[in-house]
Amino acid sequence: GAVVSQHPSWVICKSGTSVKIECRSLDFQATTMFWYRQFPKQSLMLMATSNEGSKATYEQGVEKDKFLINHASLTLSTLTVTSAHPEDSSFYICSASNGGANTGELFFGEGSRLTVL
Amino acid sequence: GDSVTQMEGPVTLSEEAFLTINCTYTATGYPSLFWYVQYPGEGLQLLLKATKADDKGSNKGFEATYRKETTSFHLEKGSVQVSDSAVYFCALSGGRGAQKLVFGQGTRLTINP
Repeated sequence: GAVVSQHPSWVICKSGTSVKIECRSLDFQATTMFWYRQFPKQSLMLMATSNEGSKATYEQGVEKDKFLINHASLTLSTLTVTSAHPEDSSFYICSASNGGANTGELFFGEGSRLTVL
Repeated sequence: GDSVTQMEGPVTLSEEAFLTINCTYTATGYPSLFWYVQYPGEGLQLLLKATKADDKGSNKGFEATYRKETTSFHLEKGSVQVSDSAVYFCALSGGRGAQKLVFGQGTRLTINP
């Protein structure tokens, strides 16, 4: 099946710094990628839908200035957590579709664990 | 809004035991239903899906039937193996964005030899 890779798989940073997480579709082009956040023992919560060449669509309650999403190419979307604070510590997961809008199967990255000190 | 509730874990079984992980949902319209599995150190993988009422999804010995009358999509396997140890997520999609998934909280399954 198609492969989606995230980098880094884990990162520790100081409070107030910014952290960038990459999501790459390795063997297919993805016009749409999704970013999720998962708290311990809780469900994945959709943060935003990332569309290649246009602005991301954020879910209600997600601060777009806090979580910057860029989808500059058909194989790469990035999530930047700006001015990170301890409450931003979480597991961030991306998924990518190998089809067009509302079609295709979703493939998930292995996740990136962020710890903010 | 749409929501998914699944059986709380962790679940621990012996090899060859029968498995059921319950999943119920709340949704407007006619959602598609999914089970995803996450093996240690890996990303979520689609295990099976059903797109309309009474459909049965199956894969790797796992089955789940889309029950509209009970709004359920319970996951079953007749004889589990140690290699089935993983976290299982029930999910639905619906509305205008068919790929936007709403997940249950996940159930960690451990199979002992």
